[in-house]
Amino acid sequence: DAKTTQPNSMESNEEEPVHLPCNHSTISGTDYIHWYRQLPSQGPEYVIHGLTSNVNNRMASLAIAEDRKSSTLILHRATLRDAAVYYCILRDYGQNFVFGPGTRLSVLP
Amino acid sequence: NAGVMQNPRHLVRRRGQEARLRCSPMKGHSHVYWYRQLPEEGLKFMVYLQKENIIDESGMPKERFSAEFPKEGPSILRIQQVVRGDSAAYFCASSTGTANTGELFFGEGSRLTVL
Repeated sequence: DAKTTQPNSMESNEEEPVHLPCNHSTISGTDYIHWYRQLPSQGPEYVIHGLTSNVNNRMASLAIAEDRKSSTLILHRATLRDAAVYYCILRDYGQNFVFGPGTRLSVLP
Repeated sequence: NAGVMQNPRHLVRRRGQEARLRCSPMKGHSHVYWYRQLPEEGLKFMVYLQKENIIDESGMPKERFSAEFPKEGPSILRIQQVVRGDSAAYFCASSTGTANTGELFFGEGSRLTVL
C-alpha cells in the first residue's frame, strides 16, 4: 500500500482556519486521496476524498498538489467539535483502507 | 437508512473463552471491513469481505481469528481462546464497493475486554 506522512499533532484556535498536511510521494496514478476523522470514543467518519482536482464539501476542502505528492485538508473555521484524529489515506480501487497514525488536532477556545 | 450496526457494544470475556462480534452493514452495502484499535493507538486493518467472500485478510492474525460475511445475516468476527492482548475496540465499516466513491461508513465499535 502507498504510504502517507502526517504530523503527529496540531493545534488551532477556535473559529480560525486549519490546514492539515499530508505527504504521499509514492502515490500512484490510480490512488484516490481520502480523509477520515475519529472523534474521541467514536468510529471514524468520512470527511472528503479526491483524485486530482481540489474538492469542497460542507465539512471541508481538499487541496491536492499538482504533482499529487501532497495534499492539504482545510477546515475553514475550526470548532471545538472538530477536535479529533485526522487520517489521510491512499486507496486504489478494490484495496482496503490503511489507516496510519493520523494527526491529532486540538482546538483551543 | 440505519447506519452500520455493531453488537455487542461492550463484551467482557475471560481468557480462553470465545468472542463473537457482529456487524450489520448499511442497507445496500455489500462490502465490509474490520479494524482493531488498541487503546491510544491507530486503527489496524484486519479483513475486507464481500458477500460470502474474503477479499483481503492480510491483517488477520494467523491463529484464533476468523471472519465471515454470509449471504444472509451480519458479518461475524470470531476470536477463539481470547487472551488479554485481544482487549481492544473492534470497528466494522461498510461500503457499496463501487469504483472509488470510496466512502466507508463506520459503526460505533465493539469494545472487548479480556479478564
